[in-house]
Amino acid sequence: AQSVSQHNHHVILSEAASLELGCNYSYGGTVNLFWYVQYPGQHLQLLLKYFSGDPLVKGIKGFEAEFIKSKFSFNLRKPSVQWSDTAEYFCAVIGVTGGFKTIFGAGTRLFVKA
Amino acid sequence: SQTIHQWPATLVQPVGSPLSLECTVEGTSNPNLYWYRQAAGRGLQLLFYSVGIGQISSEVPQNLSASRPQDRQFILSSKKLLLSDSGFYLCAWSDRVGEKLFFGSGTQLSVL
Repeated sequence: AQSVSQHNHHVILSEAASLELGCNYSYGGTVNLFWYVQYPGQHLQLLLKYFSGDPLVKGIKGFEAEFIKSKFSFNLRKPSVQWSDTAEYFCAVIGVTGGFKTIFGAGTRLFVKA
Repeated sequence: SQTIHQWPATLVQPVGSPLSLECTVEGTSNPNLYWYRQAAGRGLQLLFYSVGIGQISSEVPQNLSASRPQDRQFILSSKKLLLSDSGFYLCAWSDRVGEKLFFGSGTQLSVL
């Protein structure tokens, strides 16, 4: 069965610090990978996605993620965080041959100190 | 443009009472529809998904059921709520298999 593991449940950073949120998935076949973000009081929304091609994908607001197939990982990065990046971040996976289900990680709450 | 509506935003219900949460999507046809429950520290748990009218797949055996009476309508129900049904419920849709999800605003359900 598919599963997604996010390594950190809570992360606290100061502004301008670099960010890396870990995500590992368990699935034997081809996957589509996503990072979603939920800002305080707002809907969950897509941050970035990977389907195929260049394993380094860029999303909104300066975020990027790298797909490393050999490590079953899809870590999210940002070189310099801002206070406005305070949010909860969810990694998600769809097994391309696994039906229609998006499976989410437990989420990482990021708090950026001004 | 496509929009998703989910209501009510908050709901307080006594144990043993019925439940009906409604979700509708506008601006698209034959969407894939999903119900998730979000719990703090546990992420989003997929409850049900539907790829067409009357087609419901259940992911987790529980006290809840889902129905899709119309193409763009997805309903989450219970005949008798339990305390453990409390949580934040999210409806979502996607237009193709494997594509990104668009989420509704969610319903905070408190069962007392």
